[in-house]
Amino acid sequence: GQQVMQIPQYQHVQEGEDFTTYCNSSTTLSNIQWYKQRPGGHPVFLIQLVKSGEVKKQKRLTFQFGEAKKNSSLHITATQTTDVGTYFCAGPNYNTDKLIFGTGTRLQVFP
Amino acid sequence: NAGVTQTPKFQVLKTGQSMTLQCAQDMNHNSMYWYRQDPGMGLRLIYYSASEGTTDKGEVPNGYNVSRLNKREFSLRLESAAPSQTSVYFCASSGDRGTYEQYFGPGTRLTVT
Repeated sequence: GQQVMQIPQYQHVQEGEDFTTYCNSSTTLSNIQWYKQRPGGHPVFLIQLVKSGEVKKQKRLTFQFGEAKKNSSLHITATQTTDVGTYFCAGPNYNTDKLIFGTGTRLQVFP
Repeated sequence: NAGVTQTPKFQVLKTGQSMTLQCAQDMNHNSMYWYRQDPGMGLRLIYYSASEGTTDKGEVPNGYNVSRLNKREFSLRLESAAPSQTSVYFCASSGDRGTYEQYFGPGTRLTVT
């Protein structure tokens, strides 16, 4: 079946270093969404990308949607301790339109 | 606006017991969802409801039942709890399936012993 995978599973960085997580789908996606979940919290929507090759920025966060609309990335510049959490990508199932969540990347930032 | 609310926040059950997880949203959303989250497994869809009176199975529906009581409320029932159902359960709502962002509740941490 359709799968959405993320790498890496975990990432530990020193505060100020950059961080990137990659999301890969087994099928073409009509759109991709990104969510952040703080430790002990619930997922919170960050952004949605729709167009092939689209790039969107939110302050230090840069989101890209691949040309083939099968992959995406989230890049954080100069991480801060407030960036700690798990980042999930999610794309709609091609048959049912229900979101399929990636496995997530857990980011730990050391001060 | 409270957004999406869930009760209870924590629950411990013995194997074989039953319980209902409650979820309500005040954003007038049509679609509502139940997910479970296990370590390293991400979020897996249990059931969803596209509108009042309709429900559909997700990826992992076995052992669960749902009820869309009205547009605001969507409950999840475990008829006979099993240790494999130990998990964190999240309810979510959205304006449309797969297209609009989903808003999540705070979650219910369930342990089945």
